[in-house]
Amino acid sequence: NAGVTQTPKFQVLKTGQSMTLQCAQDMNHEYMSWYRQDPGMGLRLIHYSVGAGITDQGEVPNGYNVSRSTTEDFPLRLLSAAPSQTSVYFCASSRTGQETQYFGPGTRLLVL
Amino acid sequence: AQTVTQSQPEMSVQEAETVTLSCTYDTSENNYLFWYKQPPSRQMILVIRQEAYKQQNATENRFSVNFQKAAKSFSLKISDSQLGDTAMYFCAFIPSGTYKYIFGTGTRLKVLA
Repeated sequence: NAGVTQTPKFQVLKTGQSMTLQCAQDMNHEYMSWYRQDPGMGLRLIHYSVGAGITDQGEVPNGYNVSRSTTEDFPLRLLSAAPSQTSVYFCASSRTGQETQYFGPGTRLLVL
Repeated sequence: AQTVTQSQPEMSVQEAETVTLSCTYDTSENNYLFWYKQPPSRQMILVIRQEAYKQQNATENRFSVNFQKAAKSFSLKISDSQLGDTAMYFCAFIPSGTYKYIFGTGTRLKVLA
């Protein structure tokens, strides 16, 4: 099993550009989530999903969209990138929403 | 807002010694509490998990927790510290009735040779 995979590993964007961060898992987990990690602030939940077709907002959802059309994939979309979205982004999954999460390797995003 | 507090931003310990990382939270009910480790590689790795309804503290080899439910405290003890334990450590929990994991701000642990 590959576990949780994320692409790209690193991305540079200009302000106003859009992009999609990809996340996939091969463990048949129902729960998937996106976090951003900023210095001194730990991990903050952006959006999460408890199953295909079901998504909900986390702590810091503004500026980000998600969808969950399949169990395996949970992409995160930045519609119009801003410098404040410079961060490291982690995707995670768990069997249900109340269990141990398994994390992807992260995507480092720099918005100029 | 529900929060997790890790009051020690940085700690250091000599190799083979024991160190305790503290964590407190402010919700009354939760099902699971976790400690995750993030080494310089950036990969988040589960260290240990505590089921909140269990009286017995969880143990995984050199890692153990001290879960004090009434005090809302969940500390991590690392025994016989090794250089490979050098990492950022995050405490996390899931409030009951939600699917929103909440993480602390982390403690950077350095193990000294």
